[in-house]
Amino acid sequence: NAGVTQTPKFQVLKTGQSMTLQCAQDMNHEYMSWYRQDPGMGLRLIHYSVGAGITDQGEVPNGYNVSRSTTEDFPLRLLSAAPSQTSVYFCASSQGQGNQPQHFGDGTRLSIL
Amino acid sequence: GDSVTQMEGPVTLSEEAFLTINCTYTATGYPSLFWYVQYPGEGLQLLLKATKADDKGSNKGFEATYRKETTSFHLEKGSVQVSDSAVYFCALSVWDDKIIFGKGTRLHILP
Repeated sequence: NAGVTQTPKFQVLKTGQSMTLQCAQDMNHEYMSWYRQDPGMGLRLIHYSVGAGITDQGEVPNGYNVSRSTTEDFPLRLLSAAPSQTSVYFCASSQGQGNQPQHFGDGTRLSIL
Repeated sequence: GDSVTQMEGPVTLSEEAFLTINCTYTATGYPSLFWYVQYPGEGLQLLLKATKADDKGSNKGFEATYRKETTSFHLEKGSVQVSDSAVYFCALSVWDDKIIFGKGTRLHILP
């Protein structure tokens, strides 16, 4: 009963490095999304996907790339890490968009030095 | 644009106290409303939802009523427990579009 699995749980990067945050779900959900959570800011949508092969930008997409080659996986790529990207990142999936319950992973805590 | 405003925290209560966390919204259409809860070290979980005016969502002793006339969806619980300590997020979605979250309210319950 895995649900939404995010890896890694913690990561420290140096400015300018790149990395990929992994997200996988086993519920056959079409809709997947990435959020970042910062103190006092709540959750902000980075990118989302309504199905395999389809992605779109959210509220704060700059500095991040996504792809959706399969229904199960939705990786988030940081192209050149910046200290402003220090945050906790959450992946979520659902059967539809906002009207359906969102299932969240446990998050990746990312620090950029 | 559509938005959610919820009371700032932290909110600190003693065990068995009555809880209210205020949430108001602005929406151009007819939104569905949600409360999510985040326990320490975990992702968000859906706590309850309401999809039309005057609906009451309830779960685990928590309740919230969709009030269209006051554009509100306040979260209430009659007797809180230490295990209710968490961050609570109010959220909305209009016409099955993307979900919009409030900034969250941290709740501390003292034994």
